[in-house]
Amino acid sequence: DAKTTQPTSMDCAEGRAANLPCNHSTISGNEYVYWYRQIHSQGPQYIIHGLKNNETNEMASLIITEDRKSSTLILPHATLRDTAVYYCIVRAIYNTNAGKSTFGDGTTLTVKP
Amino acid sequence: DSGVTQTPKHLITATGQRVTLRCSPRSGDLSVYWYQQSLDQGLQFLIQYYNGEERAKGNILERFSAQQFPDLHSELNLSSLELGDSALYFCASSVASLAGVSGELFFGEGSRLTVL
Repeated sequence: DAKTTQPTSMDCAEGRAANLPCNHSTISGNEYVYWYRQIHSQGPQYIIHGLKNNETNEMASLIITEDRKSSTLILPHATLRDTAVYYCIVRAIYNTNAGKSTFGDGTTLTVKP
Repeated sequence: DSGVTQTPKHLITATGQRVTLRCSPRSGDLSVYWYQQSLDQGLQFLIQYYNGEERAKGNILERFSAQQFPDLHSELNLSSLELGDSALYFCASSVASLAGVSGELFFGEGSRLTVL
């Protein structure tokens, strides 16, 4: 799986959009971008994933650049409960070793009142 | 609630001992993954099973072993425990087909192991 690079930490004001960047410049054509978050030692929670098109669900939006070398997770209206560590991982779905999802250090997002 | 159940939630034991952590995947998920999260090392992939067979291996110590049973639940066995094995151990499951199609991971709440 391709390696990802994320900022160590970010702050966001409550009610504002949180934009979390991720660099995955070595991504392969069959690799998807996945985002997870982990709230205070709870089990990581799946947020969203995408291949090359922008994606949106009830939790967030995912913007992937045209060259697929980077992406941005957008939480449109951050709340205090969104304070967590956010992990961006790149993973090949059509791969018998797809389970080797390597979680990096992630970005610690702190939402402030 | 992710649908993945892990037991026990907390476990305290002594060095040299052996423990077994149990994981029940979401209904219908054939793949189970184990991760270790220490304070200073983040989330480390240990091993993956698909429908009873080992599918991928990560940084799993020889003192550790795992298996997936016919009912798809999985157990992670940790033996000759050392202080450094103290960590959160997470299990995750996913829908994975024989062709290797594997979707998002759903994690349990973890088992916190403390080795004294």
